[in-house]
Amino acid sequence: AQSVTQLDSQVPVFEEAPVELRCNYSSSVSVYLFWYVQYPNQGLQLLLKYLSGSTLVKSINGFEAEFNKSQTSFHLRKPSVHISDTAEYFCAVSDQGDTGGFKTIFGAGTRLFVKA
Amino acid sequence: EAQVTQNPRYLITVTGKKLTVTCSQNMNHEYMSWYRQDPGLGLRQIYYSMNVEVTDKGDVPEGYKVSRKEKRNFPLILESPSPNQTSLYFCASSLLRTGGNYGYTFGSGTRLTVV
Repeated sequence: AQSVTQLDSQVPVFEEAPVELRCNYSSSVSVYLFWYVQYPNQGLQLLLKYLSGSTLVKSINGFEAEFNKSQTSFHLRKPSVHISDTAEYFCAVSDQGDTGGFKTIFGAGTRLFVKA
Repeated sequence: EAQVTQNPRYLITVTGKKLTVTCSQNMNHEYMSWYRQDPGLGLRQIYYSMNVEVTDKGDVPEGYKVSRKEKRNFPLILESPSPNQTSLYFCASSLLRTGGNYGYTFGSGTRLTVV
């Protein structure tokens, strides 16, 4: 069965510092990979996704993630964070389930806390 | 505006009283799904649907039912709610491609409390 592991439950960082949120997944076949962001008291929004092609994908607000097939990882990075980036970030993988349908599994989340 | 609409936003109910949480999307998405979010556990998939009349179990389907009679609607039914179903529920929809879900649009969530 597929699984998604987010290695850090909380990441505190100072404003303008770089950050990396780590994500590893287990799957034996090709997958689609996603990062979602949840701001306090809100629903989830798609931040970026890897479907195929270039292994480096970017969002409009400066985040990027790199698909590494050999390490089964999809880490999220930003070179300089802002206070407004404080949120919970979820890594997810879409994969074919045992019955042929497509399941999407989420990690437990990483809470990014940006300090002034 | 493209969106997923869930109702109600908040619901407090008693053990055993049947309830339905509605979900509707206006983007003609094939794929719809329900998740519950609990602290420290992330989002866990309850049920999903790849098209009309096609539904399948996620990882935590016990105690829940769904139906997909129309493409836009995907209601979640709790026939006999119990306190362990107290949670934050999200409906989501997406296009479906060869490799799977193309990226979700989420509803605003339904906070359910079962007493």
